[in-house]
Amino acid sequence: NAGVTQTPKFRILKIGQSMTLQCAQDMNHNYMYWYRQDPGMGLKLIYYSVGAGITDKGEVPNGYNVSRSTTEDFPLRLELAAPSQTSVYFCASNGGAETQYFGPGTRLLVL
Amino acid sequence: KQEVTQIPAALSVPEGENLVLNCSFTDSAIYNLQWFRQDPGKGLTSLLLIQSSQREQTSGRLNASLDKSSGRSTLYIAASQPGDSATYLCATGGGNKLTFGTGTQLKVEL
Repeated sequence: NAGVTQTPKFRILKIGQSMTLQCAQDMNHNYMYWYRQDPGMGLKLIYYSVGAGITDKGEVPNGYNVSRSTTEDFPLRLELAAPSQTSVYFCASNGGAETQYFGPGTRLLVL
Repeated sequence: KQEVTQIPAALSVPEGENLVLNCSFTDSAIYNLQWFRQDPGKGLTSLLLIQSSQREQTSGRLNASLDKSSGRSTLYIAASQPGDSATYLCATGGGNKLTFGTGTQLKVEL
C-alpha cells in the first residue's frame, strides 16, 4: 500500500493564479480530509468528505474548493491564490473511528 | 469551540531522560484524544489514540493518559533517545474532525 499520496511536493504560485493539489489513498477509506499548517501552528481543517460525492466545510474553507468523485481521490482547488494561502497542506484519510493517516504534504508559496 | 493547548512549545533534554509532554483542551465532550509525531518536512505519524472511555494507552516507551474531567492529556516518553527528536502534536477528536494543538518541539541531545 502506498497509503496517502500528495502531489506536488512544492509549488510557487503568483497572486491570482489557481491550482489543484492532488490527494489519493489506496486504503479504501471513506473519510478524507484537507488541512493546512502555518508555521508554528497546529493543523486546521479546510474541507472533509465522508464518502464519494459528499463534502463539507471545515474550519477554514474560504478560498478553497474540493470534489470527491471517487473513493480514492480528493483534490483541493485554490482559486485566485493569495499570500495568506502560503502554507503546508496535508491530506489525510481514515475508515471511521480510527486514527487518520496523513500524506507527506504539499508546500505552497504564493508570491 | 474546542481549543487545544500544548506547553511547552519547545523542550530540550539529555539522552536517557524520562519526560512528559502536556496537552490541555477546553471542551471535555471528546470522542478520543490522539498523539502524533511530525518530523521536519514530513507528514504526521499517529503514535497513540485514547478513546474517551479509556484512561491511558501504551506503545513501547510511550504512554499517554487522558483525564477528561480536567481537560488534560500527557504523553510520557521513557528513556529518551536522539531519534525521539521531533514535534509532538495532540489532537482531540469530535466525530471524525480533529482539533490540533500547536505542538511541542522536542530535542533529545547526546
